[in-house]
Amino acid sequence: EIVLTQSPATLSLSPGERATLSCRASQSVSNYLAWYQQKPGQAPRLLIYDASNRATGIPARFSGSGSGTDFTLTISSLEPEDFAVYYCQQRNNWPLTFGGGTKVEIK
Amino acid sequence: EVQLLESGGGLVQPGESLRLSCAASGFTFSSYAMSWVRQAPGKGLEWVSIISGSGASTYYTDSVKGRFTISRDNSKNTLYLQMNSLRAEDTAVYYCAKGTYSTGRNCFDPWGQGTLVTVSS
Repeated sequence: EIVLTQSPATLSLSPGERATLSCRASQSVSNYLAWYQQKPGQAPRLLIYDASNRATGIPARFSGSGSGTDFTLTISSLEPEDFAVYYCQQRNNWPLTFGGGTKVEIK
Repeated sequence: EVQLLESGGGLVQPGESLRLSCAASGFTFSSYAMSWVRQAPGKGLEWVSIISGSGASTYYTDSVKGRFTISRDNSKNTLYLQMNSLRAEDTAVYYCAKGTYSTGRNCFDPWGQGTLVTVSS
């Protein structure tokens, strides 16, 4: 099973700041990595698929990069609605797995 | 607009069974894989199972193999999860999610709002 390790666990930032979230895989997942956003009481929402492709309707301030074992989600300038938990997910191997999440909180 | 509406959750005792349903609309249901993903209270996301668009292929996470069965009725645009021999550790919100492809390993977009399954005596 591929283990995805997200860091940091919590990121404390102010609106307007840049957020950089990391996801590291225990073995290569090629570029088959997705990012999701989840707000309290809501279902997750797909942000990025296949490492760097924004899903439909996702603002340009969200970008993804990486391949192999190291991936990054960047939010260029945090908006108030971006404070949430972010998960990565790999689809290179069975079973599909998620990372443990990074909480982006208001500083 | 794609909509996914789960139902069937509730409180059951250990060892009992439950069947979840997910009614889909707004897309060609048979063209996409569908999945169940769960989230225990206060915890992260855990993929449970996936079924291909045709229903011919299914995959499960190890912890539910032999206990859970995923299925779909493409004539009714509905996804199911039959859960048997339920355990306390199965307690979670269960989300139905649309795959981005018809088969194989997927990511998921969108997700339903979830249905809570509580296993407790």
